[in-house]
Amino acid sequence: GAVVSQHPSRVICKSGTSVKIECRSLDFQATTMFWYRQFPKQSLMLMATSNEGSKATYEQGVEKDKFLINHASLTLSTLTVTSAHPEDSSFYICSATTGGSEETQYFGPGTRLLVL
Amino acid sequence: GNSVTQMEGPVTLSEEAFLTINCTYTATGYPSLFWYVQYPGEGLQLLLKATKADDKGSNKGFEATYRKETTSFHLEKGSVQVSDSAVYFCALKSRSSASKIIFGSGTRLSIRP
Repeated sequence: GAVVSQHPSRVICKSGTSVKIECRSLDFQATTMFWYRQFPKQSLMLMATSNEGSKATYEQGVEKDKFLINHASLTLSTLTVTSAHPEDSSFYICSATTGGSEETQYFGPGTRLLVL
Repeated sequence: GNSVTQMEGPVTLSEEAFLTINCTYTATGYPSLFWYVQYPGEGLQLLLKATKADDKGSNKGFEATYRKETTSFHLEKGSVQVSDSAVYFCALKSRSSASKIIFGSGTRLSIRP
C-alpha cells in the first residue's frame, strides 16, 4: 500500500526557535497533503490543506504565519512551526492523497514536538 | 455541518470477547465512512472503509456496515486479541473533491490477556 513518511519522528527544541517537519509520499504522487495536530488522548484537528504548487488553506483559528506550509513537489510537504512556544508541543500528523472524489488518505507516523 | 459521534472510552475487554464500538454520523449527501486505528506512539492506519449504503468494510477480522437508515457505521469484531489494543477513530468524508476527513473523538480499546 501507499506509504507516507515523516521526519523527524521526535524533536525537542528551545522556545523561540523554528522547527521544520517533512512529510513525504514514498511511492505515489500526492496532489493534496493535510496537516493535523493531535493533543494527548484527543482526536485529530485539521490544521491546513496543501496542494502542490499553491498556497495552503488553513482552518479557522490556525495562524498561517506561525505554521508555515510549503508543498514544493508532488511528494513533499513541509510544516514549519515558527518561534515555537511550549503550547505548540503536540503530535503533528500529515496525510497525503492522490486526488479525486473517492481518494483514500494515507497517514504518516507522526512527529512529536516538545518545546522547552 | 458534517460530524461524527462515537462511543466514549476507554473500553476494556478480555481476550476473545466480542467488540462493538458505536459510531453515528451527520452529513449531507452520501459520505464515505472510515475506521482508522492508532497504535501507541504511531500515526493513523486505515482499518476499513465503505463508500455507499449497505457496503460492508472488513479487515483483520473487523467489520463495519454502512447503514444509511440509522446513519451508523459501528465497528465489530467477533474475538479480540491483546494486539488489538489501540485507539479507534470513526471518520467520514463527503464526496466533494476538495473535502476533508471529519474524525470522531476516538475510542481507546484495551484488551486484557
